[in-house]
Amino acid sequence: KQEVTQIPAALSVPEGENLVLNCSFTDSAIYNLQWFRQDPGKGLTSLLLIQSSQREQTSGRLNASLDKSSGRSTLYIAASQPGDSATYLCAVHTGNQFYFGTGTSLTVIP
Amino acid sequence: DTAVSQTPKYLVTQMGNDKSIKCEQNLGHDTMYWYKQDSKKFLKIMFSYNNKELIINETVPNRFSPKSPDKAHLNLHINSLELGDSAVYFCASSSRGHLLNTEAFFGQGTRLTVV
Repeated sequence: KQEVTQIPAALSVPEGENLVLNCSFTDSAIYNLQWFRQDPGKGLTSLLLIQSSQREQTSGRLNASLDKSSGRSTLYIAASQPGDSATYLCAVHTGNQFYFGTGTSLTVIP
Repeated sequence: DTAVSQTPKYLVTQMGNDKSIKCEQNLGHDTMYWYKQDSKKFLKIMFSYNNKELIINETVPNRFSPKSPDKAHLNLHINSLELGDSAVYFCASSSRGHLLNTEAFFGQGTRLTVV
């Protein structure tokens, strides 16, 4: 059964720093991996989708990479801002469902 | 226009009651899901429907009954609510087949509190 883990569970950084969030999964038979953001009390907002055949995707200050064979993905956030404070979730799609990671709670200190 | 919309956003009810949560998507997706987010914020699949057919029923008590009248709607009915049902329930949709590698969209969630 697919298991998805995110490290670290919580991260606090000063504004302007670059940071990396990690996601690992146990079964490499995935269709895609998606990174989401969740603000307190809110729904999930899609940030980036990486197809299984891709190595990375970029959107603005965000860059996500995927190494399917080793079961790892990273989300790189450049020049962090207080507005980036949220919980970041990665999810792998296996064809029938998404398996979610445990999330990384990010706080960017002004 | 909201891509995936759920109603209600908040639901407070007493133990033993029956309640429903509605979900609609206007993205033309053929697969819809219900996820439960527990107090530790972990998201777990409950049900998955593809073109109105049940694909996944992930060991959910039979007090929970999903209903999909068409591929744009997936409603969740819960009978005899228990305290442990308190959680945030998310509806989501995505495509399958050759469109599988497109984004999934989630609703804003329904916060259910059973008292």
